[in-house]
Amino acid sequence: SQTIHQWPATLVQPVGSPLSLECTVEGTSNPNLYWYRQAAGRGLQLLFYSVGIGQISSEVPQNLSASRPQDRQFILSSKKLLLSDSGFYLCAWRQERGIASTDTQYFGPGTRLTVL
Amino acid sequence: TQLLEQSPQFLSIQEGENLTVYCNSSSVFSSLQWYRQEPGEGPVLLVTVVTGGEVKKLKRLTFQFGDARKDSSLHITAAQPGDTGLYLCAGPFYGQNFVFGPGTRLSVLP
Repeated sequence: SQTIHQWPATLVQPVGSPLSLECTVEGTSNPNLYWYRQAAGRGLQLLFYSVGIGQISSEVPQNLSASRPQDRQFILSSKKLLLSDSGFYLCAWRQERGIASTDTQYFGPGTRLTVL
Repeated sequence: TQLLEQSPQFLSIQEGENLTVYCNSSSVFSSLQWYRQEPGEGPVLLVTVVTGGEVKKLKRLTFQFGDARKDSSLHITAAQPGDTGLYLCAGPFYGQNFVFGPGTRLSVLP
């Protein structure tokens, strides 16, 4: 079975510090991977997605970046955090069944980031 | 403007009551997914509906996809405190991506 991991689970960082959040998937190969940010109790905002190693698409201009150094590893980074970067960050992978209409995303446990 | 709208935004009910939450769009979706999310955790997939008019049942939860594939509903019978959470609908958009609704926050009081 497939599993998805995120770490750290919680993080408190000062403004201007760097950031690195990691996501790994087990039990599948060549997944589509996604980073989302969620404001308190609300819906999800897509930040980045990747269809393969080294392939990153950005959905929202910001001071965050993403990288995919390995097939099942997705990293979210920032050189200098802003207060507005605080939030709940979710990684997801997409199961492709060969029929686009039934593709589904599965989420990791999330990382709670607080920027002070 | 949200591509997917959800209503109500908040819902607080007593244990044993029935409820329905809605997910609506002006666009046609090839499928819609429903997720439940508990505080501090990632969303968990409940169901995917694919065919217009489709009805799926998951124990006390009944999901329906509109005939025109622009809307979906989730009905919970005899709600329990364990049903408390944020209910999100989502659908595939532009191939690789998914778009999410803002969610319905349900609180079931014992």
